Amino acid sequence: KAGVTQTPRYLIKTRGQQVTLSCSPISGHRSVSWYQQTPGQGLQFLFEYFSETQRNKGNFPGRFSGRQFSNSRSEMNVSTLELGDSALYLCASSLKTDTTGELFFGEGSRLTVL
Amino acid sequence: GIQVEQSPPDLILQEGANSTLRCNFSDSVNNLQWFHQNPWGQLINLFYIPSGTKQNGRLSATTVATERYSLLYISSSQTTDSGVYFCAVVANYGQNFVFGPGTRLSVLP
Repeated sequence: KAGVTQTPRYLIKTRGQQVTLSCSPISGHRSVSWYQQTPGQGLQFLFEYFSETQRNKGNFPGRFSGRQFSNSRSEMNVSTLELGDSALYLCASSLKTDTTGELFFGEGSRLTVL
Repeated sequence: GIQVEQSPPDLILQEGANSTLRCNFSDSVNNLQWFHQNPWGQLINLFYIPSGTKQNGRLSATTVATERYSLLYISSSQTTDSGVYFCAVVANYGQNFVFGPGTRLSVLP
């Protein structure tokens, strides 16, 4: 069974640009969540999607957005990039519909903003 | 929101030594996982352990939910155990995982 797949793995952008990251969950998993990891702030929750609906959102500005498609694949978008958006973005999927399920992570997308 | 602390923040061991990593959390939880972050950044699942004790090879974990802590034991450590270990929890009233700051483990040959 394939794991969580994230693309692209690495990317470099300049300030002011926008970026879209993609995440394909484990087959059968309908919950997809996104996390940002930086050296200063650690791992922080961005948002979670289930059945194409955002169920939960972390404390990030509106420049960070996401969506989920009918096949459970998810994308997140960051507009008007800032230097501080440089981070490892991790996607995770879960089988359960509530918060008691086990989370499985992808390899991450490492974003560098110049 | 819930607070998650991990100790120690850094740990250096000789190969073959044993270690105990601790995770304390400030509220009741309905979910707890331990992860190992590999050098490429991927979070590898170690244990899904909201309560009780589990073992997997040289690793084991115990969560005492009533006392709000979890322990990860690594026995006979190997250099490949090096990396950062994270504890993540979901509060009973919460809707997402909250991660601790991690314990950075270095195992020397």
